[in-house]
Amino acid sequence: DIQMTQSPSSLSASVGDRVTITCQASRDISNYLNWYQQKPGKAPKLLIYDASNLGRGVPSRFSGSGSGTDFTFSISILQPEDVATYYCQQYDNLVTFGGGTKVEIK
Amino acid sequence: QVHLQESGPGLVKPSQTLSLTCTVSGDSISSGFFYWNWIRQPAGKGLEWIGRISSSGITNYSPSLRSRVTILVDTSRSQFSLKLSSVTAADTAVYYCARGLEFNFWGQGTLVTVSS
Repeated sequence: DIQMTQSPSSLSASVGDRVTITCQASRDISNYLNWYQQKPGKAPKLLIYDASNLGRGVPSRFSGSGSGTDFTFSISILQPEDVATYYCQQYDNLVTFGGGTKVEIK
Repeated sequence: QVHLQESGPGLVKPSQTLSLTCTVSGDSISSGFFYWNWIRQPAGKGLEWIGRISSSGITNYSPSLRSRVTILVDTSRSQFSLKLSSVTAADTAVYYCARGLEFNFWGQGTLVTVSS
């Protein structure tokens, strides 16, 4: 099984701040890594696919990078509507999600 | 626009089998090569992938649930289904269906509670 270690588990930042979340895979997964945003009571929404590709209609303040075992997700300018929980997900071997990062406004 | 909708009982007794169906519209479940997935989320916790079926009927399951899970596809009804046997309270969760390897389309989710 591939384990996905996501950090931090929660963060609080000010509107306009840059926010960064990391995800580490237990073995090389190339770029088979997606990022999702989930708001309370809603299904997750795909933001980034294949590590660095922006999903359809996703604002450009969201970005992703990395390959192999280490991946980064960023929000360049945090907006109030970005309050949510963010998950990474690998699909190199079956599917595994990271534990999630809850983003709040300070 | 692809739309997925979960349906099934909201309450299941312990030791029984949980059965859910996902109905797909706006896309042919048998065209192309897509995976059709089941994912669940206990209240206040993270996402857990349960398994998937391809449009040709090939299945893959989470190792932790494999012994209890069956996923089937019914292309004539544009549906795929989940059966989870011998359920316990730990199986109480919101269950989602989703399309693809990158889950770009999701159902709204359905809450299943395991309780006597």
